[in-house]
Amino acid sequence: KQEVTQIPAALSVPEGENLVLNCSFTDSAIYNLQWFRQDPGKGLTSLLLIQSSQREQTSGRLNASLDKSSGRSTLYIAASQPGDSATYLCAVDFTPGKLIFGQGTTLQVKP
Amino acid sequence: GAVVSQHPSWVICKSGTSVKIECRSLDFQATTMFWYRQFPKQSLMLMATSNEGSKATYEQGVEKDKFLINHASLTLSTLTVTSAHPEDSSFYICSASFQGDEQYFGPGTRLTVT
Repeated sequence: KQEVTQIPAALSVPEGENLVLNCSFTDSAIYNLQWFRQDPGKGLTSLLLIQSSQREQTSGRLNASLDKSSGRSTLYIAASQPGDSATYLCAVDFTPGKLIFGQGTTLQVKP
Repeated sequence: GAVVSQHPSWVICKSGTSVKIECRSLDFQATTMFWYRQFPKQSLMLMATSNEGSKATYEQGVEKDKFLINHASLTLSTLTVTSAHPEDSSFYICSASFQGDEQYFGPGTRLTVT
């Protein structure tokens, strides 16, 4: 069964800290992996998309890595800010177009 | 670019009635649209995939007669929840893609069935 797991489920850090969110998946044969941000009661904002052939993607203070052989991805957030507080979702495309989402990590950055 | 809208953003309906949710791609042609459901404190679960002009493909456990999906044009898909019950209360999110490219997500529709 294709599954996506995110650890931790919740994380609270002081402002300015660097942090890492983890995502693991059960099948290494993936098409791509995507990280999203979701604010309470809102839709999804795409943060980074990593194609199967890539190892990492960067956007501003965000860096996502992909290791297919170990079935892992990490989202690194540098110099966290209170505005980064949200739920971060990892989604894996195992079958073209069929995204399977992890349960998410709810991040709170305290001022 | 790649904007997807949903309407309404929230809806309250009485048990037993039907409600329709629209998903539109505003600046691109969506050959494929996806419908997801998200219960409180849970992640998104894919309900169905629809290709323009074709019948939707439903995920296991999703009742196709209860959740009617129409994808009649390259910019519009609709989800109709028929004979809604309180357990159908959820956050429904659509996404759209062009020929297998990245999915772009709508802002979601909060459905409350009383």
